[in-house]
Amino acid sequence: EDQVTQSPEALRLQEGESSSLNCSYTVSGLRGLFWYRQDPGKGPEFLFTLYSAGEEKEKERLKATLTKKESFLHITAPKPEDSATYLCAVQDYFGNEKLTFGTGTRLTIIP
Amino acid sequence: NAGVTQTPKFRILKIGQSMTLQCTQDMNHNYMYWYRQDPGMGLKLIYYSVGAGITDKGEVPNGYNVSRSTTEDFPLRLELAAPSQTSVYFCASSYSGVAGVYNEQFFGPGTRLTVL
Repeated sequence: EDQVTQSPEALRLQEGESSSLNCSYTVSGLRGLFWYRQDPGKGPEFLFTLYSAGEEKEKERLKATLTKKESFLHITAPKPEDSATYLCAVQDYFGNEKLTFGTGTRLTIIP
Repeated sequence: NAGVTQTPKFRILKIGQSMTLQCTQDMNHNYMYWYRQDPGMGLKLIYYSVGAGITDKGEVPNGYNVSRSTTEDFPLRLELAAPSQTSVYFCASSYSGVAGVYNEQFFGPGTRLTVL
């Protein structure tokens, strides 16, 4: 059974203070690892897909990286609008495109 | 494009009542999904569909039913509502076409359901 563990559960940063969010996973055969952003009262919004160890993707102040056991979402010089819950999910080769989600990291950026 | 739309946004049910959560997508996606999200838990897959007329169970299907008569619509039916079904429900869709290309799922805004 696929498993995803995200840490920390919550993170408070000052504006401009860089940090990283962790997503550890176990999966029988990784097809893809997905990062989503979720604002309160809204549905998850797609950020990145990573397919293989060593891969990196960037979008504005966010950079996602992938190893064989974990993924990191690095946030550089965050702004208050980056405050959200960040969700990690994995997809395996056997689950017909089903995603297994972690419980998320709630990020708060203090002005 | 409106993307994935869900109705209603909020609903309160009494125990034993029934209701249908509506989901429509206008992106011509072949795959559609229903998830539930509970506080402190990850999103859990209830049912999914790989195309019109084809549905399958996810992790937590008990107490729910689905149908998919068109590409665009994927309603979720609760027959006898129970307090354990209090949750936020998200519909999602994705496109799977070329082998080896794994596309992201697009989510709707959610339906917040309370069963009292």
